[in-house]
Amino acid sequence: QKEVEQNSGPLSVPEGAIASLNCTYSDRGSQSFFWYRQYSGKSPELIMFIYSNGDKEDGRFTAQLNKASQYVSLLIRDSQPSDSATYLCAVRNTGFQKLVFGTGTRLLVSP
Amino acid sequence: DAGVTQSPTHLIKTRGQQVTLRCSPKSGHDTVSWYQQALGQGPQFIFQYYEEEERQRGNFPDRFSGHQFPNYSSELNVNALLLGDSALYLCASSFAGLGQETQYFGPGTRLLVL
Repeated sequence: QKEVEQNSGPLSVPEGAIASLNCTYSDRGSQSFFWYRQYSGKSPELIMFIYSNGDKEDGRFTAQLNKASQYVSLLIRDSQPSDSATYLCAVRNTGFQKLVFGTGTRLLVSP
Repeated sequence: DAGVTQSPTHLIKTRGQQVTLRCSPKSGHDTVSWYQQALGQGPQFIFQYYEEEERQRGNFPDRFSGHQFPNYSSELNVNALLLGDSALYLCASSFAGLGQETQYFGPGTRLLVL
């Protein structure tokens, strides 16, 4: 079982729709959760982080964390073609410094 | 506010050679982490440097080594290059004092080993 799992996609949504990206993790000791966006040929860019159960909103983005289910998600409202990228979920266990990444979900937003 | 910078942007080497990659952290950051990202994969943690010492290491062989300088910049050295070392090498910086240490990535160095 991989430590962090994501559906590789592609996830295709029309412009203006809500895109829902999901991530599960295996280590119950995980404490910090991050979403990065990576455009083709570029480096990962931090979108959001979440530490506590529940929802965290930032503009069009909402991160959701459920530690009991070991599940974290990212919702993108009013999706734009410029949101087309690979979204990486990363997890960190308290006391350990490394981020453990999933393989990413490719999102395609069509005009 | 200067972000994380890395050099060079691209590099081509042959098997058996050695390479040094460089990273300058974001202003105000004191911790540097290195990751390797193969095509189609998520970044894999190599190691992290804080206060000029390696604080944690991932599952990479001893051919991968690093260093952090007093100004917090860092180098990643890879000896005896293999074809499988071809990847995007990412540097991420963070500030230890914030506790949660959110990591911000530089643009990366794309290494091709022939």
